[in-house]
Amino acid sequence: NAGVMQNPRHLVRRRGQEARLRCSPMKGHSHVYWYRQLPEEGLKFMVYLQKENIIDESGMPKERFSAEFPKEGPSILRIQQVVRGDSAAYFCASSPTGPSSSGNTIYFGEGSWLTVV
Amino acid sequence: RKEVEQDPGPFNVPEGATVAFNCTYSNSASQSFFWYRQDCRKEPKLLMSVYSSGNEDGRFTAQLNRASQYISLLIRDSKLSDSATYLCVVQNSGYALNFGKGTSLLVTP
Repeated sequence: NAGVMQNPRHLVRRRGQEARLRCSPMKGHSHVYWYRQLPEEGLKFMVYLQKENIIDESGMPKERFSAEFPKEGPSILRIQQVVRGDSAAYFCASSPTGPSSSGNTIYFGEGSWLTVV
Repeated sequence: RKEVEQDPGPFNVPEGATVAFNCTYSNSASQSFFWYRQDCRKEPKLLMSVYSSGNEDGRFTAQLNRASQYISLLIRDSKLSDSATYLCVVQNSGYALNFGKGTSLLVTP
């Protein structure tokens, strides 16, 4: 049973380009979360999605960032017009059911490292 | 004030030593507490949940003091493979896990 799969693992973009990060949740998981880890910082929640729905995007920057989880295919985190400050590790996580008080039902992918030059 | 605060370390200890990490959290309504481990350029992995009664998993013991809003992790008989960053994580009533910046541990031969 494959875990949470993220790609690309490493991505280099020039300032102003677009970055697309993909996440395939674990089999049977319909809840996806994206977290960002800036250099020397802790992980920060960005967005929580279910199939075709954004449930909570309170952690998403107001501009340039968007996320989707279509009926078919992986979840995608899209960053438009990237800037150097977007350089970070972006972790996707999935869970079989909705958020509960047990964080041990959430499984993280290996992350996508974005470098903006 | 940050929601979850940890001493960043690094903690350098010899093999076999006992080491303790502490963490404080600011939201008294927080409901769930965890320790995660993160290796360099890897994803965080759940080490253990933390309960008010305290809990132990092998060489690892976690404690929660709700009155002081304080969480601890004790590692006994440290192994080289314990070298990693240990993340204190707090969950409020919502969806998000709130991560501390982590405490770096290096176990040396």
